[in-house]
Amino acid sequence: DAGVIQSPRHEVTEMGQEVTLRCKPISGHDYLFWYRQTMMRGLELLIYFNNNVPIDDSGMPEDRFSAKMPNASFSTLKIQPSEPRDSAVYFCASSSLAGNEQFFGPGTRLTVL
Amino acid sequence: SQQGEEDPQALSIQEGENATMNCSYKTSINNLQWYRQNSGRGLVHLILIRSNEREKHSGRLRVTLDTSKKSSSLLITASRAADTASYFCVPPPRVNYGGSQGNLIFGKGTKLSVKP
Repeated sequence: DAGVIQSPRHEVTEMGQEVTLRCKPISGHDYLFWYRQTMMRGLELLIYFNNNVPIDDSGMPEDRFSAKMPNASFSTLKIQPSEPRDSAVYFCASSSLAGNEQFFGPGTRLTVL
Repeated sequence: SQQGEEDPQALSIQEGENATMNCSYKTSINNLQWYRQNSGRGLVHLILIRSNEREKHSGRLRVTLDTSKKSSSLLITASRAADTASYFCVPPPRVNYGGSQGNLIFGKGTKLSVKP
């Protein structure tokens, strides 16, 4: 397996634009997690899914953020409209069981100007 | 969910020396995971130690777990420059009525710097 795949790896956009981050989890993993990492706040869990269903989205900062998982092999994290404070590295991770080892993707480095 | 607290926050050593990082947590656990994050990369799972194990080895890594003290340690022997990274200890999520929450909480980690 290729591991967790994220795209794009880097994204530079202007304030107000819509940003869509993509993730393909490891095949067979039932859990998918979206994290955001900044120097100030460290690694924060934004939302996670189990069997394509969002379980906990309490970490999503505000209504500008939304996440979907239309099927077991694909998830998106959308920011609309984007703001400079959204600049961060966004990681996607997947695992086979709750609390098990999580496999992280390489991350998407987002810069909002 | 609970998170581990790593200590020290930062550690700087010379190549070839051993590095020891400590972790404390608050509630009873059935296992503990350690992860590494190299700068600009995703986290990588290093090792999982179960509550009935006191010590576990993986290559140059040695992890100990003391459930009575709610603490763990990660020892890297004969460190290399490539070991420069942040290291995180992660307890499992609390199991609620109806099943586990599923999410791990990552703390601030220990930032290890190995100088050549």
